[in-house]
Amino acid sequence: DGGITQSPKYLFRKEGQNVTLSCEQNLNHDAMYWYRQDPGQGLRLIYYSQIVNDFQKGDIAEGYSVSREKKESFPLTVTSAQKNPTAFYLCASTLGGTQYFGPGTRLLVL
Amino acid sequence: AQTVTQSQPEMSVQEAETVTLSCTYDTSESDYYLFWYKQPPSRQMILVIRQEAYKQQNATENRFSVNFQKAAKSFSLKISDSQLGDAAMYFCAYRGLYNFNKFYFGSGTKLNVKP
Repeated sequence: DGGITQSPKYLFRKEGQNVTLSCEQNLNHDAMYWYRQDPGQGLRLIYYSQIVNDFQKGDIAEGYSVSREKKESFPLTVTSAQKNPTAFYLCASTLGGTQYFGPGTRLLVL
Repeated sequence: AQTVTQSQPEMSVQEAETVTLSCTYDTSESDYYLFWYKQPPSRQMILVIRQEAYKQQNATENRFSVNFQKAAKSFSLKISDSQLGDAAMYFCAYRGLYNFNKFYFGSGTKLNVKP
């Protein structure tokens, strides 16, 4: 099946720990994005990447890092510098001007 | 920067009736794309409908249609014959034609469907 997969579905982070959220797509889309969604709110852009080995900061990049070594993969690392990481994280990819989303990862702090 | 405003945090509709969700946006661009996304309790974002600004005809997808008023910068979503499965958060989104890297999302409208 073609689509965007995110793992894990739930992730727990301890104080001072870095955690990585996975995002994979087999749609051959060039552009990929990471969004953060807090309860009752819209989406805020963390990072995006238009091509392999290139990525740009979004509106709330502090405390996060990404890599784009393969077209299919765009992992997001939530670092210990992100003091309030509890949120729902959505990965998306774009083709023909339209964004398509993965199922999301819920990150919780222990 | 572009902004997208959804002024209705929550709405309710009776099953089988029609409901309209509002969205306004601010932009200086002449060409752009507008979207409505649905986020059900599973939280998966699902594309409902897309409108290109250069097209005068309003987009339609089955029971979903839009009222696109370019001069007023308004983009409302009409859901006809509402079903229980339509209950979800609905987000309006904007993407410029030339500054195509970024999508701008509204804060969402929660739609309740009453049986």
